Amino acid sequence: QSVLTQPPSASGTPGQRVTISCSGSSSNIGNHYVYWYQHLPGTAPKLLIYRNNERPSGVPDRFSGSKSGSSASLAISGLRSEDEADYYCVAWDDSPSGWVFGGGTKLTVL
Amino acid sequence: EVQLVESGGGLVQPGGSLRLSCSASGFTFSRYWMTWVRQAPGKGLEWMANIKQGGIEKHYVDSARGRFTISRDDARSSLYLQMDSLRVEDTAIYYCAREATSSGGFDLWGQGTLVTVSS
Repeated sequence: QSVLTQPPSASGTPGQRVTISCSGSSSNIGNHYVYWYQHLPGTAPKLLIYRNNERPSGVPDRFSGSKSGSSASLAISGLRSEDEADYYCVAWDDSPSGWVFGGGTKLTVL
Repeated sequence: EVQLVESGGGLVQPGGSLRLSCSASGFTFSRYWMTWVRQAPGKGLEWMANIKQGGIEKHYVDSARGRFTISRDDARSSLYLQMDSLRVEDTAIYYCAREATSSGGFDLWGQGTLVTVSS
């Protein structure tokens, strides 16, 4: 069982807005930045959001992140077929010291 | 080209050992924390270990502590993961990744190397 809790699946139709939640605790999300990754099986994961809500260059502004307390969320607006992938939240955890991943959310574009 | 290339994966029997390597190019390797992440078949991504610049600080996930050893050779721009006492459940694709210095997070990943633990 993962330290960070994500819904196992999410779905939406093209053009819709979907959100993926990530719940943690005071030792991880509550006191540290949250990062989001997009992963297509067989490929290298891609950093989508860093420091809760910042986008690396090249990531469309359809992707946005937010954090409140010990929870975070990723929002994808204007859903496109190429967004179909697995999404992971990640944060540093103080106890024990190390990075922790959410279990991943499989996004399906209907 | 800025890239990470893993190698060393393969088939090993339970209880055996394997050493993974990650070769970095296109950036100053010595300036970055480096990390290993794995994905078991049908499972999610799992962080395994990381190592600070110069190798003076290391952290491990509980399942790796005592069995796996992360190390680096900055002169060779290489990261390693020595895996001992391997178990069937260690079967996974192992990725190395760079931890961004200013923004945090893993901003560069390799393509992964497959480790299969089976008799």
